[in-house]
Amino acid sequence: RKEVEQDPGPFNVPEGATVAFNCTYSNSASQSFFWYRQDCRKEPKLLMSVYSSGNEDGRFTAQLNRASQYISLLIRDSKLSDSATYLCVVNIGSNYQLIWGAGTKLIIKP
Amino acid sequence: DAGVTQSPTHLIKTRGQHVTLRCSPISGHKSVSWYQQVLGQGPQFIFQYYEKEERGRGNFPDRFSARQFPNYSSELNVNALLLGDSALYLCASSSALRDTQYFGPGTRLTVL
Repeated sequence: RKEVEQDPGPFNVPEGATVAFNCTYSNSASQSFFWYRQDCRKEPKLLMSVYSSGNEDGRFTAQLNRASQYISLLIRDSKLSDSATYLCVVNIGSNYQLIWGAGTKLIIKP
Repeated sequence: DAGVTQSPTHLIKTRGQHVTLRCSPISGHKSVSWYQQVLGQGPQFIFQYYEKEERGRGNFPDRFSARQFPNYSSELNVNALLLGDSALYLCASSSALRDTQYFGPGTRLTVL
């Protein structure tokens, strides 16, 4: 079993729709959680950290469920510019080593 | 302020050769991490350095080595290149060991 698992997609979504991604992690000792966004042939960029209480940044909402060991990302009112691959990332251990999912590809269509 | 810089941007090598990739962190950042990203997968952790000391190592063979210099820049070395080493190599810097990591544009290595 992979340490961090994501649905690879692609998710084909019309502009303006709401889309949700889920991610599961296997190590219950995981300490920090993130969503990164990666455009084609570019480096990953931090989208948002994920906190136990859930957090929101504009159209983006992240949730963490430690008991079930999953993380979610909700994108509301999707824009064409949201098309990218979304990577779920988990920090395991005291050395702050980031463990990455394979990413979920999102395609927003006009 | 300049972000994380990496050189070269692209590189083509043949099997058995050696390669050195370079990374300059954001000014003031003391930690550098290296990742390998194969097409269609997420980045895989290779090394982390902080204050010139290795603080973490991923599951990569001894052909992979790295070091961090007094100015906090870093080099990743790969010996005896294999076709499977073809990937995007990403460098990330952070101000301290447990802080948010910021990524450079990567070096795309092709091994023929």
